Amino acid sequence: EAQVTQNPRYLITVTGKKLTVTCSQNMNHEYMSWYRQDPGLGLRQIYYSMNVEVTDKGDVPEGYKVSRKEKRNFPLILESPSPNQTSLYFCASRASRTGAPNYGYTFGSGTRLTVV
Amino acid sequence: QKEVEQDPGPLSVPEGAIVSLNCTYSNSAFQYFMWYRQYSRKGPELLMYTYSSGNKEDGRFTAQVDKSSKYISLFIRDSQPSDSATYLCATTSLRAGNTGKLIFGQGTTLQVKP
Repeated sequence: EAQVTQNPRYLITVTGKKLTVTCSQNMNHEYMSWYRQDPGLGLRQIYYSMNVEVTDKGDVPEGYKVSRKEKRNFPLILESPSPNQTSLYFCASRASRTGAPNYGYTFGSGTRLTVV
Repeated sequence: QKEVEQDPGPLSVPEGAIVSLNCTYSNSAFQYFMWYRQYSRKGPELLMYTYSSGNKEDGRFTAQVDKSSKYISLFIRDSQPSDSATYLCATTSLRAGNTGKLIFGQGTTLQVKP
């Protein structure tokens, strides 16, 4: 089954304790992206990657890091989490543009992070 | 001003009603428009995809784009309780799309009552 898999689904952590949220896709997609979803603010892009070793900042990158060493994996790293990073996080992927344009992403099921 | 505005609702309708969900956007460079459906505790799933102006129909769902007024709509005919979800509009331009960027509305929560 074609899918984007995130782990963990739920995570409660304390301020300052480094954590990593993993993301893996099995569709051989070039593009991957991380979004956070907050009430009243919708989905906001944190980081994106156009291919292996190619990453760039989205709209809200502060406090986050990413890496893209393999095509299928795109982990999100919080070096020193703070309470304002409490949110619902989504990883997403899509193929590069071929033929008719389609910029729609396939999303994972989400990771609900609470930082206390 | 947000680039994409969407009324968060909630919107509650009886089963069988026609539902109209709407978004407005500010950037005339946006050319690609999407509607996502998000069930509780799930990730968004792509429902409809349209390019430029016009209508696109898929079963009970119709997506409509009016670029002159910067207005995008999703119509659901014969709504069902299984349509209860949050609906998010999203858009991008050619340039932004090639960098993987999508801009989302806040989402509208829809409840269809039996």
